[in-house]
Amino acid sequence: QVQLVESGGGVVQPGRSLRLSCAASGFTFSTHGMHWVRQAPGKGLEWVANIWSDGSNQYYSDSVKDRFTVSRDNSKNTVSLQMNSLRAEDTAVYFCARDLWSGNAKYCDYWGQGTVVTVAS
Amino acid sequence: QSVLTQPPSASGTPGQRVTISCSGSTSNIGSNTVNWYQQLPGTAPKVLIYSNNQRPSGVPDRFSGSKSGTSASLAISGLQSEDEADYYCAAWDDSLTGYVFGTGTQVTVL
Repeated sequence: QVQLVESGGGVVQPGRSLRLSCAASGFTFSTHGMHWVRQAPGKGLEWVANIWSDGSNQYYSDSVKDRFTVSRDNSKNTVSLQMNSLRAEDTAVYFCARDLWSGNAKYCDYWGQGTVVTVAS
Repeated sequence: QSVLTQPPSASGTPGQRVTISCSGSTSNIGSNTVNWYQQLPGTAPKVLIYSNNQRPSGVPDRFSGSKSGTSASLAISGLQSEDEADYYCAAWDDSLTGYVFGTGTQVTVL
């Protein structure tokens, strides 16, 4: 069965960096794009980044562009999110999700349980 | 802030029908398919409807989706207590070159 397990969350000071990872299993990782989605405490879902199956394209929300970098290692079935210059407003649960893109359908069909990032001094 | 607008809350008694709206623009809902996600308290989101009106296997047919122009809606018929959750619409946005979620609607079963 499809499994996505995030790791790397924690407490970090403003301005510092953190790297999140998502380990995938139960499917052919190299054939699916991946997303990162976050949810601040008590708030709604916010899309963060997307990377294509072969890693050739990455897309970011305006709120993280130039600070966050998404990457993947298809040999290790992992997708990562490098977060630099962290701000208090980056505090959230970060979910990785599998992208299913077929015809005109594009959506997140499987989600991990999330990892918590807290940015505080 | 989100570019897809939903009502913050909706409610109904068991067995009733509840409808949630999602308003967007030509660059997102008007150009791409709409998906709906359900998030039960303390859990990860789960896709409920994809491609405007398609249900993944395992999703009860009480849930249905539709789209017209730059708006979409999710209907829950025969409301059940286990439907108490937050619901989000989402779509790819061609102008932002990114995925956008709606503001979210909390459904309460009275």
